Amino acid sequence: QQQVKQSPQSLIVQKGGIPIINCAYENTAFDYFPWYQQFPGKGPALLIAIRPDVSEKKEGRFTISFNKSAKQFSLHIMDSQPGDSATYFCAASSNFGNEKLTFGTGTRLTIIP
Amino acid sequence: DGGITQSPKYLFRKEGQNVTLSCEQNLNHDAMYWYRQDPGQGLRLIYYSQIVNDFQKGDIAEGYSVSREKKESFPLTVTSAQKNPTAFYLCASSNPPHRSGYTFGSGTRLTVV
Repeated sequence: QQQVKQSPQSLIVQKGGIPIINCAYENTAFDYFPWYQQFPGKGPALLIAIRPDVSEKKEGRFTISFNKSAKQFSLHIMDSQPGDSATYFCAASSNFGNEKLTFGTGTRLTIIP
Repeated sequence: DGGITQSPKYLFRKEGQNVTLSCEQNLNHDAMYWYRQDPGQGLRLIYYSQIVNDFQKGDIAEGYSVSREKKESFPLTVTSAQKNPTAFYLCASSNPPHRSGYTFGSGTRLTVV
């Protein structure tokens, strides 16, 4: 019940396209959903996060869409650029207990020129 | 600049040896975490500590040990009991509310030779 399932495992998109990465969860106590971006040889960095009281959040070219009834959330990257090539992790946590993040398995995104 | 420093960046271990990975933070964060990253498996929690002199096992603690004698330091020892230690190890830290943002180090790549 603590899992966060992420898909696809890898994704190749042409420059200017809109890559979409999907995540699903089972634990209805989850109430915070961040996305992390990781470049090769580096640690992940917080990209954007959403709480379930909103269905969408935008920060620059990055958008999170959230579907509470389906227990799914997704990351969209508008006007994707080769510099967006990285591994993306979704995560979730609950306000109960120690608030540790549960991470998805990651998506390796490649944006080709 | 505040941040997390992991050392060394690359580490080679002979079979049967114990090795210790260093993690130091100057962010004054209360909590620290160790994750293991393998291709296609995302970030798996090894150990975490929310206060000095206290730590808890994560999902894959077998074959690893930690200590938290100082707030800024959380070293990880990979023991000879860990049968498949070759991986990328990431240290992170956070402050309450912990789930609102983990700061990650740049990682240590451990290879068994």
